[in-house]
Amino acid sequence: AQKITQTQPGMFVQEKEAVTLDCTYDTSDPSYGLFWYKQPSSGEMIFLIYQGSYDQQNATEGRYSLNFQKARKSANLVISASQLGDSAMYFCAMRGNRIQGAQKLVFGQGTRLTINP
Amino acid sequence: NAGVTQTPKFQVLKTGQSMTLQCAQDMNHEYMSWYRQDPGMGLRLIHYSVGAGITDQGEVPNGYNVSRSTTEDFPLRLLSAAPSQTSVYFCASNGAGAGANVLTFGAGSRLTVL
Repeated sequence: AQKITQTQPGMFVQEKEAVTLDCTYDTSDPSYGLFWYKQPSSGEMIFLIYQGSYDQQNATEGRYSLNFQKARKSANLVISASQLGDSAMYFCAMRGNRIQGAQKLVFGQGTRLTINP
Repeated sequence: NAGVTQTPKFQVLKTGQSMTLQCAQDMNHEYMSWYRQDPGMGLRLIHYSVGAGITDQGEVPNGYNVSRSTTEDFPLRLLSAAPSQTSVYFCASNGAGAGANVLTFGAGSRLTVL
């Protein structure tokens, strides 16, 4: 069975600082994918970034990057130059083997990020 | 370009009542799924579908039924509502190929069971 652990219930960061949100995972599947989603206070779920387990490079999408350390089973989200609009709940998620897309995800408990001006 | 549309946005039920949460997508996505979100527990998969006529159970399927008669629609039925089903429900869809790893969510449906 797959499991995602996010150990930071809440984080407080000053605007313009970089922030790292932790995510560790557990799986016995040789092939898997890792995702990060953002949930603002309005409630919608917004896809941020994806990393495949066989991808050689860490994924990046604008100010978001995924620090993938396979041996440590970690997939931390790094947000550079944080903005007030980054205040939200952030979820790490994964899919397992034999699943080629995002239709069957396991989510972590989430981290609430607050950006202070 | 509506994306994934869920109705209703809010619903209050009494224990034992049944209801259907509607979900429709206009992106011609093959895959659709239902999640519930409870405080402190993240999202958990209820049921998912890999195409019209094909559904499968997720992590927490008990008390819910689904069907997929068309590519566009994926309703979630609560057979006999219980207070433990009070939650926020999200429908989501994703395509195949290049879009497979981008899960598009609906706005959510908040259900309260008294």
